[in-house]
Amino acid sequence: QVQLQESGPGLVRPSETLSLTCTVSGGSVNSGSYSWTWIRQPPGKELEWIGSINDSGDTSYSPSLNSRVTMSVDTSKHQFSLKVNSVTAADTAVYYCARLAGYFDTNGHYYGGLDHWGQGTLVTVSS
Amino acid sequence: EIVLTQSPDTLSLSPGERATLSCRASQSVANIFLAWYYQKPGQAPRLLIYGASSRAAGVPDRFSGSGSGTDFTLSISRLEPEDFAVYYCQQYGPSPITFGQGTRLDIK
Repeated sequence: QVQLQESGPGLVRPSETLSLTCTVSGGSVNSGSYSWTWIRQPPGKELEWIGSINDSGDTSYSPSLNSRVTMSVDTSKHQFSLKVNSVTAADTAVYYCARLAGYFDTNGHYYGGLDHWGQGTLVTVSS
Repeated sequence: EIVLTQSPDTLSLSPGERATLSCRASQSVANIFLAWYYQKPGQAPRLLIYGASSRAAGVPDRFSGSGSGTDFTLSISRLEPEDFAVYYCQQYGPSPITFGQGTRLDIK
């Protein structure tokens, strides 16, 4: 069973860099069938996609965060990571890592959606 | 960017009733790129439906998805107590990936 687990500081000072890592167990990040994705949710608000990365390191970021976000993947450690620089209080949120499927299997059956999620980690931006 | 608008914002129903949730896109979404999730307080979202109408593994058959183009629907045939939560639609076709604002399903 695939499991994802976020890790990183729960408190970040304004103007500094938020850094999180997602560790994947029970599966491999080295698969062309999936994109590894970060999503956040400010307290009491809706879900916001931050960006996705595949096993080749190709990235796609939200236009609203593009200039401040960097994602990377380490296939040897079964991990992928997120950095958001120059954070403000508006970056306070629960951050989730998730696996995005989007492929057809050998029988032609399609699999899609964010099918596995981490439990989420609250990151607070405050001095 | 494709904007997803869900309606209603809040739906109050009783266990055993049928729920119908709507998701409207600002431009056409290919069916294979439309998903539904549900989220309970303090928990991560859970995938219910992908490809507009395919149930994810372990999802009860009282949940069904339908629609095409710009209008999609999630139906729950007979509400169980554990179904009361917030539901989100999502499109994962053209970047950026976007979510609807959510529909809260409350116990009446």
